[in-house]
Amino acid sequence: EVQLLESGGGLIQPGGSLRLSCEASGFSFNMFAMTWVRQAPGKGLEWVSAMSTGNSPTFYADSVKGRFTISRDNSRNTLYLQMDSLRVEDTAIYYCAQVAATVNTGAAVHWGQGILVTVSS
Amino acid sequence: SYVLTQPPSVSVVPGQTATIACGGNNIAGKTVHWYQQKSGQAPIVVILYNDDRPSGIPERFSGSKSENTASLTITRVEPGDEADYYCQVWDSRTTHWVFGGGTKLSVL
Repeated sequence: EVQLLESGGGLIQPGGSLRLSCEASGFSFNMFAMTWVRQAPGKGLEWVSAMSTGNSPTFYADSVKGRFTISRDNSRNTLYLQMDSLRVEDTAIYYCAQVAATVNTGAAVHWGQGILVTVSS
Repeated sequence: SYVLTQPPSVSVVPGQTATIACGGNNIAGKTVHWYQQKSGQAPIVVILYNDDRPSGIPERFSGSKSENTASLTITRVEPGDEADYYCQVWDSRTTHWVFGGGTKLSVL
């Protein structure tokens, strides 16, 4: 059974940094592209970032480019999202998801339960 | 940037058919995926690659496309289908995933 467990969320002040982790199990992590999707309170889904099976290529939404960094450690079956220069508008539930096939064709076929990030002073 | 437009809400009586539209410029040339998100839960994919159903998704769910509109159709709607539904594509020009704004399906 595929499982994705996010951690690292919490309350952070504007301008601060957080690193989210997503520990994967139940599948060959190194064979799948991965993605982060977020959902602000009461709002729809917003794609954040994605990466292929290796360390590149990586892809970012315009709203986070230059502030967020996606990475993975295939030896630890873990996906990361380093979030710097956080803004109030980054407040959301962050989901990691396994991508079927490639980033440019696949869908998010398995999702974690999400982790809440709150940016507030 | 590429925009996907969905109606904010669709209402249907149990047993009837619900159709949720997803409008986008020349969406016929893109691969469309559909997600269902029930209240307080993570999304799940209900239609892959325009019209494929993942295992475990009832045959009542189907997907289709025309030139500028993709559609998710749910036949014989059940109260358990009440959820938010999102379409998603890859925009090759910006190398971004794009989600529609979501449609709330209400089963009256």
